[in-house]
Amino acid sequence: AQKITQTQPGMFVQEKEAVTLDCTYDTSDQSYGLFWYKQPSSGEMIFLIYQGSYDEQNATEGRYSLNFQKARKSANLVISASQLGDSAMYFCAMRESVSNFGNEKLTFGTGTRLTIIP
Amino acid sequence: EAGVAQSPRYKIIEKRQSVAFWCNPISGHATLYWYQQILGQGPKLLIQFQNNGVVDDSQLPKDRFSAERLKGVDSTLKIQPAKLEDSAVYLCASSFGTNTEAFFGQGTRLTVV
Repeated sequence: AQKITQTQPGMFVQEKEAVTLDCTYDTSDQSYGLFWYKQPSSGEMIFLIYQGSYDEQNATEGRYSLNFQKARKSANLVISASQLGDSAMYFCAMRESVSNFGNEKLTFGTGTRLTIIP
Repeated sequence: EAGVAQSPRYKIIEKRQSVAFWCNPISGHATLYWYQQILGQGPKLLIQFQNNGVVDDSQLPKDRFSAERLKGVDSTLKIQPAKLEDSAVYLCASSFGTNTEAFFGQGTRLTVV
């Protein structure tokens, strides 16, 4: 079963509008973390924002915010005032526990390709 | 602060040949990851190290892929023999711990012909 689900393969958004990228996850852990990464056409993976499962406030980093709804197991990324440079692939990722010694592994979704239209 | 270094950036080999990729993580980062990213897909975790021990290698095709992290610093990922379906970008990442954000290198683009 998919641990991380991103249902939007592609999105087109007008410049300066806000955009929401969806992410749902599946875990039975009580402690977990959710990440969003940006991958421009150049290929590097850029960390954007992190939300811990026990964090009561939604995470924010500049124009990025994470709409965390724990009961629904969703962690949507909101980008305010989109810019042309926001055009990229966006990946949601979750750290989940593995069996040995309390370590955790990082699993990615399939991504959403965001295109900002001038 | 220097980032995660990977080499080579590009590699083209024929099927059944062998290939090796090298990764130098950020200094002080105990956790090192190797991901395979096939074009149009999300990164798939192949193997994760904590220092020089393996945390997870459940998706590593062990009949042809191997990885090591000697002395808990640099790591190499090897494919022998390569298949056409191994064509992908191989991403190395590191993090301070398993519960902190991972920083990625620029990747190695492998083409198997």
